[in-house]
Amino acid sequence: DTAVSQTPKYLVTQMGNDKSIKCEQNLGHDTMYWYKQDSKKFLKIMFSYNNKELIINETVPNRFSPKSPDKAHLNLHINSLELGDSAVYFCASSFGLGSNTGELFFGEGSRLTVL
Amino acid sequence: AQSVTQPDIHITVSEGASLELRCNYSYGATPYLFWYVQSPGQGLQLLLKYFSGDTLVQGIKGFEAEFKRSQSSFNLRKPSVHWSDAAEYFCAVGASGGSYIPTFGRGTSLIVHP
Repeated sequence: DTAVSQTPKYLVTQMGNDKSIKCEQNLGHDTMYWYKQDSKKFLKIMFSYNNKELIINETVPNRFSPKSPDKAHLNLHINSLELGDSAVYFCASSFGLGSNTGELFFGEGSRLTVL
Repeated sequence: AQSVTQPDIHITVSEGASLELRCNYSYGATPYLFWYVQSPGQGLQLLLKYFSGDTLVQGIKGFEAEFKRSQSSFNLRKPSVHWSDAAEYFCAVGASGGSYIPTFGRGTSLIVHP
């Protein structure tokens, strides 16, 4: 079984559309994250949820809205897509914040292409 | 706030040669340090981590890294590179205690020549 799974793996869409990416983890972790990886491979944290509660919200346009229905799921909805949103979006999870493990478990990524 | 610098964007080595990937961090206290590997089309996988204790840490796939506080470095090494090691390597630093969100370096792309 895949520990952190994201769907879809590839997403091609037009500017102005709205799209969602889903993420699920079966590791029993309390904390989940969304990272954005740009074309130069730079990884930037976008959001983090701990036990369904938003704890980190970096400088991200409010067109991006995360939702965590339960601690095993963290979805990302993007409104009014722009060309600059094209990237690979990674979901990750870890044990609770401040734990002494610190290891992140990543999904395989969702490559979003906005035309 | 913590930060990570990986000064080499690309590194090219021959198969069987030794490897060292550089990582420098900035953080006021004792950091948590990590190396992750990303194979093409895949997510990131943890290679090794340092929290405390022995400054030389062993990881998976024959990798090791050494924490040097005086140099604020956490360089990754492997004595003999295999073609399957070609990938993107990310160093990351996390705050020790409190709210932990790891910050990643911009990665080093490893190219392995046969």
